[in-house]
Amino acid sequence: AQSVTQLDSHVSVSEGTPVLLRCNYSSSYSPSLFWYVQHPNKGLQLLLKYTSAATLVKGINGFEAEFKKSETSFHLTKPSAHMSDAAEYFCVVSDLNDYKLSFGAGTTVTVRA
Amino acid sequence: EAEVAQSPRYKITEKSQAVAFWCDPISGHATLYWYRQILGQGPELLVQFQDESVVDDSQLPKDRFSAERLKGVDSTLKIQPAELGDSAMYLCASSLGQGILTGELFFGEGSRLTVL
Repeated sequence: AQSVTQLDSHVSVSEGTPVLLRCNYSSSYSPSLFWYVQHPNKGLQLLLKYTSAATLVKGINGFEAEFKKSETSFHLTKPSAHMSDAAEYFCVVSDLNDYKLSFGAGTTVTVRA
Repeated sequence: EAEVAQSPRYKITEKSQAVAFWCDPISGHATLYWYRQILGQGPELLVQFQDESVVDDSQLPKDRFSAERLKGVDSTLKIQPAELGDSAMYLCASSLGQGILTGELFFGEGSRLTVL
């Protein structure tokens, strides 16, 4: 079965500085990987996805993630944080064996003015 | 923009009482999911419907939880009786076809349950 580990439960950054959210995955088969964002009192929204095409994936709102098979990682980055990026971020994995989505525990991002 | 509708947004109940949550997916989405999100954790799938049929309910505590999607459109998740450990956010999501394969699920804003 597949699983993900989000290495940071909370990340605090200053507005205008880079954001890095770390995610490691475990999968027996070729995985598909996703990042979802959840703003306070809102539903989860898909940020970006990797499905075995380009290893550098660009998403909405300036976010991107790089799939590194050798490191079993799928870290999420943004060059310059905005106040509106304050939210909960979930790394998610699925594979062709299970077809289920497995969510990480989430990383809370705080953006300081 | 089409959205997944859920109600109620908040529910406070006493243990042993019955509670029900309702979800209306995006029009045309054949697949509907109910997830439970305990505070500080990621969502966990409770049940998945394809039209009116249950595709996966392996993680649904069937002694107290039930879910239905009678006409393949909206869905109801029921808990009877509620227990303290059921306090969580209940998320409904929908997708076109097998959204699980592409990860493109559309989530509602959730129903937060507090059991006293």
